[in-house]
Amino acid sequence: QKEVEQDPGPLSVPEGAIVSLNCTYSNSAFQYFMWYRQYSRKGPELLMYTYSSGNKEDGRFTAQVDKSSKYISLFIRDSQPSDSATYLCAALSGVSGYSTLTFGKGTMLLVSP
Amino acid sequence: DSGVTQTPKHLITATGQRVTLRCSPRSGDLSVYWYQQSLDQGLQFLIQYYNGEERAKGNILERFSAQQFPDLHSELNLSSLELGDSALYFCASSATGTLQQYFGPGTRLTVT
Repeated sequence: QKEVEQDPGPLSVPEGAIVSLNCTYSNSAFQYFMWYRQYSRKGPELLMYTYSSGNKEDGRFTAQVDKSSKYISLFIRDSQPSDSATYLCAALSGVSGYSTLTFGKGTMLLVSP
Repeated sequence: DSGVTQTPKHLITATGQRVTLRCSPRSGDLSVYWYQQSLDQGLQFLIQYYNGEERAKGNILERFSAQQFPDLHSELNLSSLELGDSALYFCASSATGTLQQYFGPGTRLTVT
């Protein structure tokens, strides 16, 4: 079993929809949780990260972590065609400078106009 | 543009061969990370270097090795290549004391 599990999709939604992307993890040592976006033929780019449990909002994006259930979510409001990409959740373990990122396999999102 | 550069963009080689992938981190970043991305395994952490020294090791095969040079660029060496080594190889860098890793555009390796 992978330490971070993610449904690969694809997830197809119409423009303007609210998108919910989810991951589960198994390692209780994970402390930081991140969402990366990867466009086709590009490297991943960090969207946002949260520490421990709670919510974090950045524009149309909200990241949520529930450590009690080991569940990570990313919500996208008013989705746009430009949001079409693969979204990777990741969890960080270790201490500063000696930390490693464990990624989910990614969910492909398609937003149609 | 993340500021991380990788060369070459594409590499096609035969089984049993050896290749070297190169990465230049963002200006000032001391940490360099290498990842392998394949369809079945996803993005997997291979190894991290910090200012020339190995810091953390992930699922890196013994046939693979890396180093970071005094000018901070890094190379990932892959030897005795197998078909299953075909993948995208990403390099990322981060500044000291920060969590954000900036990824390069990747090198697509095809082993035939």
